[in-house]
Amino acid sequence: DGGITQSPKYLFRKEGQNVTLSCEQNLNHDAMYWYRQDPGQGLRLIYYSQIVNDFQKGDIAEGYSVSREKKESFPLTVTSAQKNPTAFYLCASSMFVVNTEAFFGQGTRLTVV
Amino acid sequence: GQQLNQSPQSMFIQEGEDVSMNCTSSSIFNTWLWYKQDPGEGPVLLIALYKAGELTSNGRLTAQFGITRKDSFLNISASIPSDVGIYFCAGQRGQNSGGSNYKLTFGKGTLLTVNP
Repeated sequence: DGGITQSPKYLFRKEGQNVTLSCEQNLNHDAMYWYRQDPGQGLRLIYYSQIVNDFQKGDIAEGYSVSREKKESFPLTVTSAQKNPTAFYLCASSMFVVNTEAFFGQGTRLTVV
Repeated sequence: GQQLNQSPQSMFIQEGEDVSMNCTSSSIFNTWLWYKQDPGEGPVLLIALYKAGELTSNGRLTAQFGITRKDSFLNISASIPSDVGIYFCAGQRGQNSGGSNYKLTFGKGTLLTVNP
């Protein structure tokens, strides 16, 4: 089945540790995105990538890093510099960046203790 | 970043009732999308709108792209218990607007509760 797979579903980490969230898509989409969702809030864009080996900061990129070495994969690293990392993280992809629908993965809930 | 004002924030309705929600912006958008999110899951795309004035249906859902391009509406008819969830609007200004304005901007969501 075609789709976007995020793993793991739940992740627990100690404060001060870096953690990497996985996102894989087999939709042959060029563009991929990472969003953060907090309770009662809309989705806020962390990073996006239009093409392999290229990515751009979104609205809340501080404390996060990404890579796009393959078209299918767009991992997100939450670094120790992120002051409030506990949140629900959503990965999405779209055919292109302009005027096309974004499809989401099932999300990863990160809890930092 | 840009803001989308989505209302209402929450709704409590009886099964069988119709529901309306909307999003407004001070900026023009060239694409409007409506998503539904179940608890602990990713949002699922319901309807996409690309033309001002466009009215599109998906089963019991109907969405409209406002004629001013600054708003959009979603209606759900004859609600059922599985309609429960958070509904998000999202807008995209499009590349013609310059720079990185092809990013999606999301509203804060409308939480819908349906009482059987």
